[in-house]
Amino acid sequence: KQEVTQIPAALSVPEGENLVLNCSFTDSAIYNLQWFRQDPGKGLTSLLLIQSSQREQTSGRLNASLDKSSGRSTLYIAASQPGDSATYLCAGSGSARQLTFGSGTQLTVLP
Amino acid sequence: EPEVTQTPSHQVTQMGQEVILRCVPISNHLYFYWYRQILGQKVEFLVSFYNNEISEKSEIFDDQFSVERPDGSNFTLKIRSTKLEDSAMYFCASSGGQGGNYGYTFGSGTRLTVV
Repeated sequence: KQEVTQIPAALSVPEGENLVLNCSFTDSAIYNLQWFRQDPGKGLTSLLLIQSSQREQTSGRLNASLDKSSGRSTLYIAASQPGDSATYLCAGSGSARQLTFGSGTQLTVLP
Repeated sequence: EPEVTQTPSHQVTQMGQEVILRCVPISNHLYFYWYRQILGQKVEFLVSFYNNEISEKSEIFDDQFSVERPDGSNFTLKIRSTKLEDSAMYFCASSGGQGGNYGYTFGSGTRLTVV
């Protein structure tokens, strides 16, 4: 059974810093790895999808990588802004398609 | 950009009542899902639906729950005889195409409060 762990659970940084959020998973037979953003009391907004044949994806200031052999994914946020404050969730799917979520990293970017 | 739409955004119900949560997935997606998130906990998988039938379900998805795609656009989750512990945010999602190499799009959720 896939288990997904995210470290750190919470992170507070000053505006402008570059930062890395970590996600690890136990089953390397992962198919897709998707990063989401969740604002308090709100839904899940997809940020980046790394498909099984890919190793990284970029969108604007965000870059996500996937290393199946080590069971890790990272989300890199460049030049952080207060508007980036949210909880970031990673989730992996196997051939069975269902997503297994981590507990998330709660990010606070201080002005 | 295509969206998954969920209604209502918030529902309060009395314990023991039945509720139906509604979703309109993205029109050309083939797979539909329900997830839930109890306050302060992880997002958990409930059920997936493909080709007009359940393809997978979790241990949470017991006889109290059912899903239906009554027409070409709606996808519903019914919870019979609600319990206090059913209080959670329920998310509908859809994903496209065969082969599995498509990301999920989630709706904004229905917050269910059982009193």
